[in-house]
Amino acid sequence: EVQLVQSGAEVKKPGESLKISCQGSGYSFSNYWIGWVRQLPGKGLEWMGLIYPGDSDTRDNPSFQGQVTMSVDKSISTAYLQWSSLEASDTAMYYCARYHCSSTSCYPRNFDYWGQGTQVTVSS
Amino acid sequence: DIQMTQSPSSVSASVGDRITITCRASQGISNWLAWYQQKPGKAPKVLIYAASSLQSGVPSRFSGSGSGTDFTLTISSLQPEDFATYYCQHSNSFPLTFGGGTKVEIK
Repeated sequence: EVQLVQSGAEVKKPGESLKISCQGSGYSFSNYWIGWVRQLPGKGLEWMGLIYPGDSDTRDNPSFQGQVTMSVDKSISTAYLQWSSLEASDTAMYYCARYHCSSTSCYPRNFDYWGQGTQVTVSS
Repeated sequence: DIQMTQSPSSVSASVGDRITITCRASQGISNWLAWYQQKPGKAPKVLIYAASSLQSGVPSRFSGSGSGTDFTLTISSLQPEDFATYYCQHSNSFPLTFGGGTKVEIK
C-alpha cells in the first residue's frame, strides 16, 4: 500500500527555521517525483515544487523560489521542505504528494497519493 | 503561467442532483487535467486524471470531459459523502496550477 506520512504540527516564531518531512512507503520512492502543496487557512491549493528522489532534481514554482528549499534523503525514503527564516505569512497546511511521473513513464502526471498534511503556525 | 478558472465557486445542491463544475485553462493544455476532492481537515484525493479517466476506486457517478481549454467534472447523482470542495489542476507545463475550487454544499 502506497503511503506518505508527514511529520507533525509545528508552532514557530517569526525568524526561526523549520524542516518538515514526508516519508514514503509501499512503492519505489526513488523513481517518482514528490510534490509540495501549500494551503493557506480557508484558501485553495498552491503548488510549491517537485523533487525527484533519484537524483534530487527539482522543479520550482517561481512564486516560492527563495522562500523554501526542497531536499530528499532517498536512503530513508524521505523528502523535506525547509525554511531558513519563517514569517507569519507561512502559516498554512503543507501537503506532500506523489506525482505520477516515474523514471519509465511520465503519465498521467497527477498527484495520486497524498500525505496527511503538516500544519505550520508562525506566531510571535 | 497557465491560469485555471473554475466555476461556479460554490453550488448548493440536494442529494440525488446532477451537478457540473467547469474548469477553463488560459491556454491549451491538451488533456493534462486532473480533478481532486477535498473534505474539511483532509488531504485532497484524486478523482479524475487525463481529463476523463476515473481513478481506481472512485465511484462511477463521477465523470470528466474536455480537452484543450474547457473541462467539466460531473457528479451524476449527488451523495451525502460528495459534499466537499473540488479542484482542477493542470500538468501541461511548469508551473503546475490549481483552480480556485468549487464548494459543493447541501441545499
